[in-house]
Amino acid sequence: GAVVSQHPSRVICKSGTSVKIECRSLDFQATTMFWYRQFPKQSLMLMATSNEGSKATYEQGVEKDKFLINHASLTLSTLTVTSAHPEDSSFYICSAPKTETMNTEAFFGQGTRLTVV
Amino acid sequence: GQSLEQPSEVTAVEGAIVQINCTYQTSGFYGLSWYQQHDGGAPTFLSYNALDGLEETGRFSSFLSRSDSYGYLLLQELQMKDSASYFCAVLGGGKLIFGQGTELSVKP
Repeated sequence: GAVVSQHPSRVICKSGTSVKIECRSLDFQATTMFWYRQFPKQSLMLMATSNEGSKATYEQGVEKDKFLINHASLTLSTLTVTSAHPEDSSFYICSAPKTETMNTEAFFGQGTRLTVV
Repeated sequence: GQSLEQPSEVTAVEGAIVQINCTYQTSGFYGLSWYQQHDGGAPTFLSYNALDGLEETGRFSSFLSRSDSYGYLLLQELQMKDSASYFCAVLGGGKLIFGQGTELSVKP
């Protein structure tokens, strides 16, 4: 069964509104979670690394004020897309490594298909 | 920075063997992973190599050469359901970075 749960799986929102995406680790504690964005037929682009109890680390070119990440507990990280625009429409996926050293597989959420109209 | 190179697409027939290569440049390398992704779905883990050599898991095998910064995924006895995108990913510097993906098409 799924060890990382992501919700919602699909969301349509109006331009200018904000959307929150949740990522939960179900049977393990995740001190680190990764957020990716994927455009059609392209790779998964790392947006940021979410760290429990501290600020997220954003990749170059990712606006931290637009993509707010909160990792309030060892099982929950959230990504909020603020003031969404049509160009933010994409597939957003979270993942969590299962061990502290991360030398193992990463488990992925089901992904969230965001459409901004 | 980190970068990975893999072919953009590969076509093969059912029952055949296909090899998908991956070369990488990274700092703080821990290991090379392979993931499968079907259209519209999330990536699923296939294999992980931290040390040189071959890892076998059923029909899938993965190889790593750290000195060459190179690895490959070998898929045997191809089935139609293996048609998907395959990504190599490097674990290093506290991040999991993905290659551009190889789209595998399996023909009857």
